[in-house]
Amino acid sequence: GAGVSQSPSNKVTEKGKDVELRCDPISGHTALYWYRQRLGQGLEFLIYFQGNSAPDKSGLPSDRFSAERTGESVSTLTIQRTQQEDSAVYLCASSLNTGAGELFFGEGSRLTVL
Amino acid sequence: AQRVTQPEKLLSVFKGAPVELKCNYSYSGSPELFWYVQYSRQRLQLLLRHISRESIKGFTADLNKGETSFHLKKPFAQEEDSAMYYCALAASGGYNKLIFGAGTRLAVHP
Repeated sequence: GAGVSQSPSNKVTEKGKDVELRCDPISGHTALYWYRQRLGQGLEFLIYFQGNSAPDKSGLPSDRFSAERTGESVSTLTIQRTQQEDSAVYLCASSLNTGAGELFFGEGSRLTVL
Repeated sequence: AQRVTQPEKLLSVFKGAPVELKCNYSYSGSPELFWYVQYSRQRLQLLLRHISRESIKGFTADLNKGETSFHLKKPFAQEEDSAMYYCALAASGGYNKLIFGAGTRLAVHP
């Protein structure tokens, strides 16, 4: 596609339910990143993929959060047993390589946990 | 630890006035610094990076290692500059894990 695509754009769920957020990066981009943005705050790094492997998972806030990437393309961020503090916009970005290149962002998935 | 601080949540100016969006960073190594911008109803996108030493849409930013700052400046603000601006830092020599500041909203009034 023309840009990074994320789905769903909006998700409302009940506390305790699991959610999956999907990211389709720009074709050919080897690096993929997940960030979280809580209301009024900056972007919080969650996890980074180089190809299908995740050399840096340091930002995942708890073991309820996991992510995978397959085919050096689509990535899924899964949040188990959601809590109200998980409410945020989850942004995905991809880049051509792992140098100091430009990150291309998706429009984000807004998660609301009731 | 790497940290990016943008002290102003909101900067409000009139069209034609000079603009300076402040960014300070904390990093013990040699940083790479960026400004990203998000216009209304658009995606977050790269505005400029310090290694390019370029001017984009009239904006410039100079890395001051002594003051650990990377302020974004424009001599004459335009209404279309109204947006959310984020300063970001990456550790050099590695993968591009960007640490972002909280952002500053720039509002340019006619």
